[in-house]
Amino acid sequence: AQTVTQSQPEMSVQEAETVTLSCTYDTSESNYYLFWYKQPPSRQMILVIRQEAYKQQNATENRFSVNFQKAAKSFSLKISDSQLGDTAMYFCASFLPDSNYQLIWGAGTKLIIKP
Amino acid sequence: DTGVSQNPRHKITKRGQNVTFRCDPISEHNRLYWYRQTLGQGPEFLTYFQNEAQLEKSRLLSDRFSAERPKGSFSTLEIQRTEQGDSAMYLCASSFDRTLRELFFGEGSRLTVL
Repeated sequence: AQTVTQSQPEMSVQEAETVTLSCTYDTSESNYYLFWYKQPPSRQMILVIRQEAYKQQNATENRFSVNFQKAAKSFSLKISDSQLGDTAMYFCASFLPDSNYQLIWGAGTKLIIKP
Repeated sequence: DTGVSQNPRHKITKRGQNVTFRCDPISEHNRLYWYRQTLGQGPEFLTYFQNEAQLEKSRLLSDRFSAERPKGSFSTLEIQRTEQGDSAMYLCASSFDRTLRELFFGEGSRLTVL
């Protein structure tokens, strides 16, 4: 069975600092997708960044980047120049295209950006 | 607003009552998902529709839960004979792409069972 593990229940950093959120996953498949989603307080979940497993290059979206280590099955999210609006729950998730169309979710990391 | 819409946003009910939640996905999305999320946890998959066909149901979805998506448009999730353990946020999401390149979520419907 596919699993996703986020080992940091909560993190806090000062505004403008860089923070890295950890995620590990377990799958025997070679073709899969990995995601980081953000859920601000009382607001809907939104996609932060996506990585296709067959791509060696790490995905980047503005201040957000990932460190994808396929052999280690690690998929960490780095947030540079953190902003107050980055305060949210962050969920790591994986998807197998040939499975039953389910995302497998981690338990989440609560990130607090302090002014 | 052309995003995913869920109603009601918050429902308080007494144990044993039936509740129904509605989800209006983004109009061109043919895939619709229901998740349940409890405090401090990630979403748990409940069920999935492709157009009007319900293709997958989680073991979490007991006989008291039923979901429909008539005509492949909006979807409803009904919980019969609610129990306190049903208290959670029920999330709806929709997607156009089969690889789930991006799921679009609604703001959720929070259920409180007293």
